[in-house]
Amino acid sequence: DGGITQSPKYLFRKEGQNVTLSCEQNLNHDAMYWYRQDPGQGLRLIYYSQIVNDFQKGDIAEGYSVSREKKESFPLTVTSAQKNPTAFYLCASSMGDWQPQHFGDGTRLSIL
Amino acid sequence: DAKTTQPPSMDCAEGRAANLPCNHSTISGNEYVYWYRQIHSQGPQYIIHGLKNNETNEMASLIITEDRKSSTLILPHATLRDTAVYYCIVRVSSGNTPLVFGKGTRLSVIA
Repeated sequence: DGGITQSPKYLFRKEGQNVTLSCEQNLNHDAMYWYRQDPGQGLRLIYYSQIVNDFQKGDIAEGYSVSREKKESFPLTVTSAQKNPTAFYLCASSMGDWQPQHFGDGTRLSIL
Repeated sequence: DAKTTQPPSMDCAEGRAANLPCNHSTISGNEYVYWYRQIHSQGPQYIIHGLKNNETNEMASLIITEDRKSSTLILPHATLRDTAVYYCIVRVSSGNTPLVFGKGTRLSVIA
């Protein structure tokens, strides 16, 4: 089936560690996005990429990094510089322009 | 910041129509209205979008006022599985721009 796959579903990080969240799509979408959601809140944009080898910072990019080496993959690294990384992370993709975004099922990150 | 205003919560009886309002008084001519919903601990699910005309699909109907300053999402026969947070989002029609989420409306469908 075509869709967006995020892994792992749950992730635990020790203080001072970097962790990488995976996002893969087989929809042939050009654009991909990372959002963060805190309890009871809406989603906030971390990074997005409109094309391979290019990406832009969102509203809360500090402490995060991304890469877009392949069209189907957009991994997010949560670095030790992110002081409050516990959250629900959501990846999305879209074909372009007015086309709707489609979301994965998310990764829940917790600090040990 | 989100360009839309939604009530924080609503209740609806099972089997009845759920009408979810959204105000977007500063919407521009090239901006679409999108609706998503998020069931607890899942990713948001796309429902419907529109520019000027009313739209209908297998999930819902979208009614946009003539001045485009507000819209209503209609779930014609709500079921318990429609209990979720519903987000109304305004987004430009070009450039793969990201979505800007507000806090949405928490719809509770009651048996």
